[in-house]
Amino acid sequence: KAGVTQTPRYLIKTRGQQVTLSCSPISGHRSVSWYQQTPGQGLQFLFEYFSETQRNKGNFPGRFSGRQFSNSRSEMNVSTLELGDSALYLCASSFGGGNTGELFFGEGSRLTVL
Amino acid sequence: AQSVTQLGSHVSVSEGALVLLRCNYSSSVPPYLFWYVQYPNQGLQLLLKYTTGATLVKGINGFEAEFKKSETSFHLTKPSAHMSDAAEYFCAVSEHLGSSNTGKLIFGQGTTLQVKP
Repeated sequence: KAGVTQTPRYLIKTRGQQVTLSCSPISGHRSVSWYQQTPGQGLQFLFEYFSETQRNKGNFPGRFSGRQFSNSRSEMNVSTLELGDSALYLCASSFGGGNTGELFFGEGSRLTVL
Repeated sequence: AQSVTQLGSHVSVSEGALVLLRCNYSSSVPPYLFWYVQYPNQGLQLLLKYTTGATLVKGINGFEAEFKKSETSFHLTKPSAHMSDAAEYFCAVSEHLGSSNTGKLIFGQGTTLQVKP
């Protein structure tokens, strides 16, 4: 069974640009969550999608957005990039629907903003 | 609101020694607790989880953790460290709203485990 797949794995952008990251969940999983990981702030929750609906959202500015498609694949977008957006962005999937909360993580997309 | 505190951002042990990584949580409802491991340049891998039932849970790679409600703790242990255990370890609690999980995990700040030969 294939795991969670994130693309691209690495990318470099400059300030003011925008970026789109993609996540393909484990087959059968309907929930996709996104986390930002930085050395200073650790793992911070961005948002969660379940059946194409945003079910939960963290404390990030509106420049961070996401969506989920009917096949459960998800994308997140960051507009007007800032230096502080440099981070590892992790996608995680689960069956969803009020389960125990166990998440399966992808290897992440490492974003560097110059 | 739930929260997690991991005591010690860095822990160093000798190969073959006991590994003990500490985690305390705060939750107003019975928690679901997790330990994840992250190797360099990789995502997070689930080591073990506690939901209900037996308070001593066993995970992969010889790790185990014990849920102690009275101490609000969920410490991770391994009897004998291997060099391959060197990684960063995260304790997490599943967020509850009312009686259901929200799909969000609240993580501790992580503990880097160093294993010396």
